[in-house]
Amino acid sequence: NAGVMQNPRHLVRRRGQEARLRCSPMKGHSHVYWYRQLPEEGLKFMVYLQKENIIDESGMPKERFSAEFPKEGPSILRIQQVVRGDSAAYFCASSPNALGATNTGELFFGEGSRLTVL
Amino acid sequence: AQKITQTQPGMFVQEKEAVTLDCTYDTSDQSYGLFWYKQPSSGEMIFLIYQGSYDEQNATEGRYSLNFQKARKSANLVISASQLGDSAMYFCAMRGAQAAGNKLTFGGGTRVLVKP
Repeated sequence: NAGVMQNPRHLVRRRGQEARLRCSPMKGHSHVYWYRQLPEEGLKFMVYLQKENIIDESGMPKERFSAEFPKEGPSILRIQQVVRGDSAAYFCASSPNALGATNTGELFFGEGSRLTVL
Repeated sequence: AQKITQTQPGMFVQEKEAVTLDCTYDTSDQSYGLFWYKQPSSGEMIFLIYQGSYDEQNATEGRYSLNFQKARKSANLVISASQLGDSAMYFCAMRGAQAAGNKLTFGGGTRVLVKP
């Protein structure tokens, strides 16, 4: 399977616990994006990473949320001390490079990880 | 800042008929890209079609076409000959020239239900 792989697909946590969401980009893709989708809403950008670097984290909440994309292994979105408002679908997308607006370069999305906080 | 507006929260369409999904955008960038994605009930995001701001012709991909009106800042999606499998959420998205990488800004979506 050459697509973007996210796991777990579904995750249930109690308030105060930690959630870790993993994303393996498509083969050959070194750019990863995380988006959050609340029920019945569009996707909201969270963070853009390249290998070992955070490029744009303008959509990340200032507290409790962090992301990494190490040299080896998947990208991780980590949410500490989860609250009910963190319940959402978290999508990872990847692209092979950083393209300007004059190129097509659509993002390739994973199937999402659905976090439920009890 | 970029903004995408989809004013139709939901709509019904009869099978085999065409449907137009509205999308307007706001940006100060001269160069930008516009995208449409489909999200069926299973949840994945499926890329449908792309339009570049300098493309002179409207984009088409099979039954999907994009009605691009630059002066009006609109990028409506037209689905011809609707099928039951077209029932889904549809999202318009934009990437500006100043955006980092392929960062996309999404609209709120339109839910389409195709009736047999």
